[in-house]
Amino acid sequence: QSALAQPRSVSKSPGQSVTISCTGTTSDVGAYTYISWYQHHPGKAPKLIIYDVTHRPSGVPDRFSGSKSGNTASLTISGLQAEDEADYYCCSYAGRYLGVFGGGTRLTVL
Amino acid sequence: QVQLVQSGTQVKKPGASFKVSCKTSGYIFPYHFVHWVRQAPGQGLEWMGVINPDDGSTTYPRKFQERVVMTADKSTTSVYMEVSRLTSDDTAVYYCARDLYSGWARHYLDSWGQGTLVTVSP
Repeated sequence: QSALAQPRSVSKSPGQSVTISCTGTTSDVGAYTYISWYQHHPGKAPKLIIYDVTHRPSGVPDRFSGSKSGNTASLTISGLQAEDEADYYCCSYAGRYLGVFGGGTRLTVL
Repeated sequence: QVQLVQSGTQVKKPGASFKVSCKTSGYIFPYHFVHWVRQAPGQGLEWMGVINPDDGSTTYPRKFQERVVMTADKSTTSVYMEVSRLTSDDTAVYYCARDLYSGWARHYLDSWGQGTLVTVSP
């Protein structure tokens, strides 16, 4: 599997919204609704913030939302805060218990 | 609460092998698949495979099929990953992580170990 395609970096100001895309193929993102997103602060373990395309684990603010259309999944963060600055990764099921991560997006909140 | 605690930092020579342990607690061990993910310096997350602790069955991506072996021990509720024939490209932080749903590997990794740094250097 090749890594899912994500923008390398995005920069936004506090209070703004940002959408991070995650593009795969008809064998992964396009074929399944088993899409998840992770927030990763350097030096810490990644944190699950979205699963099942749109669901948030308890404790994750509703500023985080997910969607999917065709072969592309998206993560939207509204009302950006300084603590949202992190790396974000999408992940998709790819059949037969296989999975694949996106290349990651560095979000900078200026 | 759910916890995954990994073994400590390792330094290995090229061509050698390493084995990392992941001690789990706070949930019913056989019910949840456990994945291994790594992050090389300056790189993104890379999925290395998954094990079903109930029956020990494993799935690895093609890239790791020849070099990675994952095992599970129900008596100690621990999962292990061994990587062989190391090169400098294997220098990375290695994580174990539990799948959210029981009985299936949907790749929703809801609880993670703290990570284990493995350095491969001559």
